[in-house]
Amino acid sequence: GAGVSQSPSNKVTEKGKDVELRCDPISGHTALYWYRQRLGQGLEFLIYFQGNSAPDKSGLPSDRFSAERTGESVSTLTIQRTQQEDSAVYLCASSLPELDGYTFGSGTRLTVV
Amino acid sequence: QQQVKQSPQSLIVQKGGISIINCAYENTAFDYFPWYQQFPGKGPALLIAIRPDVSEKKEGRFTISFNKSAKQFSLHIMDSQPGDSATYFCAASASFQKLVFGTGTRLLVSP
Repeated sequence: GAGVSQSPSNKVTEKGKDVELRCDPISGHTALYWYRQRLGQGLEFLIYFQGNSAPDKSGLPSDRFSAERTGESVSTLTIQRTQQEDSAVYLCASSLPELDGYTFGSGTRLTVV
Repeated sequence: QQQVKQSPQSLIVQKGGISIINCAYENTAFDYFPWYQQFPGKGPALLIAIRPDVSEKKEGRFTISFNKSAKQFSLHIMDSQPGDSATYFCAASASFQKLVFGTGTRLLVSP
């Protein structure tokens, strides 16, 4: 596609429910990243996929967070048993290998009530 | 050592003035230093980037200055315009690995 697509754009969920956030990277981009941005804060790294290599999960804040990627396409970030502190914008980005510049999606705004 | 420290947190500049945002890092393995611009409700967009083999890079009104010995780099926006009002993030990475972002600077350019 022309850009990185994320869905849904907004999600309101009740505390304790599970949520799935989707990211469609730019076609051909083998690298895919998830970041979290709390209100008025910087970007917090969550997880990084590069081709068929094992993902870098070093940024996942707890075992309630997990992510999958099918080949070099769609990725899903799952948050189980959501808590109010999970409220944030979740940003996905993709890039070509050996190219540092990311292209970000517009994010999913998650609100846990 | 993975942190990138950014200042100021917010900045107000008059139209036509120069906006300056600074970042500092500790990890000497960092070899790529981009700046991202983010408008409300949008994802960050790459603005300009530099590698440590040069001390300055200019693209239009935007300039990155890089000081390798001090481990600092800065973004200068010349002739700042109200349309430049956004949040700016510096970042750094090593050998095509994940970017580490600064905490952001909210810039307001007054008309």
